Amino acid sequence: AQSVAQPEDQVNVAEGNPLTVKCTYSVSGNPYLFWYVQYPNRGLQFLLKYITGDNLVKGSYGFEAEFNKSQTSFHLKKPSALVSDSALYFCAVSPWGGFKTIFGAGTRLFVKA
Amino acid sequence: GAVVSQHPSWVICKSGTSVKIECRSLDFQATTMFWYRQFPKQSLMLMATSNEGSKATYEQGVEKDKFLINHASLTLSTLTVTSAHPEDSSFYICSASFLVRGRTEAFFGQGTRLTVV
Repeated sequence: AQSVAQPEDQVNVAEGNPLTVKCTYSVSGNPYLFWYVQYPNRGLQFLLKYITGDNLVKGSYGFEAEFNKSQTSFHLKKPSALVSDSALYFCAVSPWGGFKTIFGAGTRLFVKA
Repeated sequence: GAVVSQHPSWVICKSGTSVKIECRSLDFQATTMFWYRQFPKQSLMLMATSNEGSKATYEQGVEKDKFLINHASLTLSTLTVTSAHPEDSSFYICSASFLVRGRTEAFFGQGTRLTVV
């Protein structure tokens, strides 16, 4: 079965420190990979996506993600966290040949001042 | 980039009434639209897939008679929650897909928060 796993329900980081939000996937073929952020009572905001090419993808608000095909991972990273980065982050995949988006369970990020 | 707009952003309705949520693709014709539901502190769960001019395909466990989906045009899909009950209170998000360089990509609306009292 196709699935996306975000192993951490919550990540706590001090402001200014680097952050990583983990994501692994189990999808056949060559999927598109996405990260979205959701602020309280708001819809999804697109952060970045990987289609092909360079394994390090740069996105909005200073976020980047590293695609690792052998480990089937697509971890979200930021060199220096901000308090305003505190939100709910979703990893998602869109399988090859299809367009259904499969979401991970989400990881809540808390950045402490 | 492509824009998907949902209306209303939030709605409060009385138990037993019906509520309609609109999803519009503003600058492209969407081949397919999707409706998701998000429970508090949980991920998005796909409810149904709709193609213009045909009946929606519902995911297992989703009541098609309760969640009526109409995809009347390539830019508009509606979700009607019929005879709403408090347990239908949730965050509903739509997405619309179209072809980008030979691959379909999905773009998401801002969501609709439904509260049934």
